[in-house]
Amino acid sequence: TQLLEQSPQFLSIQEGENLTVYCNSSSVFSSLQWYRQEPGEGPVLLVTVVTGGEVKKLKRLTFQFGDARKDSSLHITAAQPGDTGLYLCAGAGSNTGKLIFGQGTTLQVKP
Amino acid sequence: NAGVTQTPKFQVLKTGQSMTLQCAQDMNHEYMSWYRQDPGMGLRLIHYSVGAGITDQGEVPNGYNVSRSTTEDFPLRLLSAAPSQTSVYFCASSYTGVTEAFFGQGTRLTVV
Repeated sequence: TQLLEQSPQFLSIQEGENLTVYCNSSSVFSSLQWYRQEPGEGPVLLVTVVTGGEVKKLKRLTFQFGDARKDSSLHITAAQPGDTGLYLCAGAGSNTGKLIFGQGTTLQVKP
Repeated sequence: NAGVTQTPKFQVLKTGQSMTLQCAQDMNHEYMSWYRQDPGMGLRLIHYSVGAGITDQGEVPNGYNVSRSTTEDFPLRLLSAAPSQTSVYFCASSYTGVTEAFFGQGTRLTVV
């Protein structure tokens, strides 16, 4: 069974701080997706990383896929209150044809 | 742009009642899925479908039924509601099972 462990589960920081969220597994994934979910809404895709070692940037957000394609990280620089939400990673199972979601990281950025 | 539409948004059921959560998508996606979201547990797959007439079980299928008579619709039926089914339910559609998933707004279900 493929599992994805996200850490930390909760993060409360002040505006302007930097943070990193981790998504780890013992399994290899063909790709890794990051979603952001706001209260009362469904998750929305932020980025997909496909190649081992790949780095993608989305404004102040930097996503990295591990060289072995077993882990990923999301780094936010100078967090803003608008970054508040639930961040979910999802691995594409190479043999299952389905997405496996991590438990999520709830981020609160205080002004 | 409708995307994925779920109804109802909120529902309260008594233990033992049955109900159907509706899901419709207008993106002509073959793959549709139902998840439940509970605190600290992320999204867990209940049932999924790779096309009209084809459905399969996910990680937590017990107590739920699905059918897929058209490409657009993928309803989820709770046969006999139990308090353990209190959760937020999301329907999603995608091109395949591992490409970008488009989610509905969710249904918050409480079973008392």
